Amino acid sequence: EIVLTQSPGTLSLSPGERATLSCRASQSVSSSYLAWYQQKPGQAPRLLIYGASSRATGIPDRFSGSGSGTDFTLTISRLEPEDFAVYYCQQYGRETFGGGTKVEIK
Amino acid sequence: QVQLVQSGAEVKKPGASVKVSCKASGYTFTSYGISWVRQAPGQGLEWMGWISAYNGNTNYAQKLQGRVTMTTDTSTSTAYMELRSLRSDDTAVYYCARLGWVATTTAPSDYWGQGTLVTVSS
Repeated sequence: EIVLTQSPGTLSLSPGERATLSCRASQSVSSSYLAWYQQKPGQAPRLLIYGASSRATGIPDRFSGSGSGTDFTLTISRLEPEDFAVYYCQQYGRETFGGGTKVEIK
Repeated sequence: QVQLVQSGAEVKKPGASVKVSCKASGYTFTSYGISWVRQAPGQGLEWMGWISAYNGNTNYAQKLQGRVTMTTDTSTSTAYMELRSLRSDDTAVYYCARLGWVATTTAPSDYWGQGTLVTVSS
């Protein structure tokens, strides 16, 4: 079973700053099957990135994904107020979610 | 537009069963799969399984094998998730989501239902 470990658990940043979120897999993952989701309190998750680096429909270009093998990164270039949320990585196909990273306002 | 509308909140006693529905609209239901994901209070996302709406194949999380059944009714474009022998740690918000690529279940979840809170309490 592949385990996805996200770090840090919480990221405290100010609007306008850059956020870098990590997702590390316990064994090599096909980058074709790595996704990132955003979840705000009381809402369903929203697909941001699939295939490790492709933005989903309607996702602003300040969100970008990268990585391969066991190390993947979600970057938010300049945080907007609406970006403060919890982010999850997922390997679809193996149906595993990471534990999440909370991006909070500093 | 694609929409997934789930049934309302449920309160169940330990040992009972719950069946959550997920009605799809805005796309060809039989071309995609549906996944089910749950989230316990204050916790992360837990994948429960998926069902292919085009061939009926299912894949369940190992920890739920024997207690969960996912089905579809293609005549009403509705997916169902039934969980039996409920325990207190099954208390969670249950989400359905469309698997976003045609005719494959290896796909990200691109549209999500609003969630259904299932509370298990004596």
